[in-house]
Amino acid sequence: AQKITQTQPGMFVQEKEAVTLDCTYDTSDPSYGLFWYKQPSSGEMIFLIYQGSYDQQNATEGRYSLNFQKARKSANLVISASQLGDSAMYFCAMREDTDKLIFGTGTRLQVFP
Amino acid sequence: DVKVTQSSRYLVKRTGEKVFLECVQDMDHENMFWYRQDPGLGLRLIYFSYDVKMKEKGDIPEGYSVSREKKERFSLILESASTNQTSMYLCASRWDRMNTEAFFGQGTRLTVV
Repeated sequence: AQKITQTQPGMFVQEKEAVTLDCTYDTSDPSYGLFWYKQPSSGEMIFLIYQGSYDQQNATEGRYSLNFQKARKSANLVISASQLGDSAMYFCAMREDTDKLIFGTGTRLQVFP
Repeated sequence: DVKVTQSSRYLVKRTGEKVFLECVQDMDHENMFWYRQDPGLGLRLIYFSYDVKMKEKGDIPEGYSVSREKKERFSLILESASTNQTSMYLCASRWDRMNTEAFFGQGTRLTVV
């Protein structure tokens, strides 16, 4: 069964607008961590943001924020004020209690002027 | 800066060959991972290692094996390469603390002909 689900294969957003990339997860571990990575066309994997299962507040890093809804098992990435350079693949990942790190299928975001 | 280095950027091998993909990290990370990335399928975990000589199967271990004799090096072995193993292979490493992100190598594009 898929443990990390990203239902949006592709998303478009206009420059300077906000966009939400969806991620749902499935685990029975009480302790887990959620990550978002960006992969531009160059292929490198860039870490964006982290949310721990026990964190009370939603994580934020600059223009990135994570909308963490534990009861719904969702960890959506919100990018505010999109820039052309945000065009990339975005991956949601989960670290389980065993330290295994698994990824979703990704969402390709395209930012247009 | 953390460095994760994969031995080859591009590799072409023949069907039936034994193939070694090497990954070295310089940050004394406990956890190391091998993924393959295919369009539409995201990153799929092949194997991961949480310590020297310790390994655990990921979601798609069939046709692969791994070796971790030293902490800094994690090798992926294709015992008898097949065309369906043509893919991008990504190595990653991280400390085993809860909130630490994984660092990735530059990837190896393997083509099996």
